[in-house]
Amino acid sequence: DGGITQSPKYLFRKEGQNVTLSCEQNLNHDAMYWYRQDPGQGLRLIYYSQIVNDFQKGDIAEGYSVSREKKESFPLTVTSAQKNPTAFYLCASKAGQGNQPQHFGDGTRLSIL
Amino acid sequence: GESVGLHLPTLSVQEGDNSIINCAYSNSASDYFIWYKQESGKGPQFIIDIRSNMDKRQGQRVTVLLNKTVKHLSLQIAATQPGDSAVYFCAEKVQGAQKLVFGQGTRLTINP
Repeated sequence: DGGITQSPKYLFRKEGQNVTLSCEQNLNHDAMYWYRQDPGQGLRLIYYSQIVNDFQKGDIAEGYSVSREKKESFPLTVTSAQKNPTAFYLCASKAGQGNQPQHFGDGTRLSIL
Repeated sequence: GESVGLHLPTLSVQEGDNSIINCAYSNSASDYFIWYKQESGKGPQFIIDIRSNMDKRQGQRVTVLLNKTVKHLSLQIAATQPGDSAVYFCAEKVQGAQKLVFGQGTRLTINP
């Protein structure tokens, strides 16, 4: 089945460590997005990519990094510079640049040990 | 029942009643709007979208209404069922932009 796969479902990080969250899609979508969701709040955009080898900062990019080496993959690294990383992280993708909905994976919940 | 979806309020409705979830969007230059449903521990699920050249769009048991004059969007769910329990988000896209801006959501609970 076509879709967006995020792994792992749950992730724990020690302070000072970098961790990488995986996002893979087999929808052949050009655009991919990373969002952060805190309890009881909406989604805030971290980074997005419209095409392979290109990405832009979203509204809360500090302490995060991404790469887009392949069309189907858009990993997110939460660096030690991110002082409050505990959150629910959501990846999305969208076909093309027109007015079309983004489709989401089921998220990764990151916690600090 | 009705609710304004800006501060994650809760809307409680009786099973079988119609639900109306409201959203006040911020940018008059927004040309595309989406409603998402998010169940606990899952990613948002696309429900319905509407472009700014439309006032109304209907799907299966859902209707989205757009009032550009007052920058207001609503989602109507007919004959609400227990499976409709979730948090509902509206999202807007400004013309020419490539990213969505999400509202903070409304929690819909169904009373048996």
